Amino acid sequence: GENVGLHLPTLSVQEGDNSIINCAYSNSASDYFIWYKQESGKGPQFIIDIRSNMDKRQGQRVTVLLNKTVKHLSLQIAATQPGDSAVYFCAENLPPAGNKLTFGGGTRVLVKP
Amino acid sequence: SAVISQKPSRDICQRGTSLTIQCQVDSQVTMMFWYRQQPGQSLTLIATANQGSEATYESGFVIDKFPISRPNLTFSTLTVSNMSPEDSSIYLCSVEGARGNEKLFFGSGTQLSVL
Repeated sequence: GENVGLHLPTLSVQEGDNSIINCAYSNSASDYFIWYKQESGKGPQFIIDIRSNMDKRQGQRVTVLLNKTVKHLSLQIAATQPGDSAVYFCAENLPPAGNKLTFGGGTRVLVKP
Repeated sequence: SAVISQKPSRDICQRGTSLTIQCQVDSQVTMMFWYRQQPGQSLTLIATANQGSEATYESGFVIDKFPISRPNLTFSTLTVSNMSPEDSSIYLCSVEGARGNEKLFFGSGTQLSVL
């Protein structure tokens, strides 16, 4: 919706540059992590996920890195495009919570032409 | 991925009234989830709705304020009761991915403004 991202930290990126979005998660027992992208007026859209037995996973133009030692998750977007402008959320799943995801605070990405 | 339709997409309501939000999924799913997203903030889980049983509410959310129905495996409703301006938020329906994996898919949300 229009109010998404009003008070969130903002990352301004030049078109074509790489973006890195960071997320600190709360529970060392979390075993599954997801990155979502939310554009204005839309619900969150799945980007990429990673399980706790991995430290890196790559998708199309995106890479997720997981550092369990410091409970840190990052999303790297290669060659950022105007269509990447959105709010990005990380989410964690803490067993045995099943499918109940806990969402991080979110980062707004603005791509400058 | 599941296709999730939410209605209404937005509404402006008067204080003290109630609004029922509908969520329709194009496939049968066991679990459906209702989230709230307050202005400029992240998503907070309200409750989990399973077909044939009462919804399970998270801390800070109660059934009297947010009654939920789950009459079948493709449909759910969330009612925001006795609304106040503090209820102004985006309300999102989500469902689990195929074979119950942890990935959630979201509807486009209902933007609620309470005057």
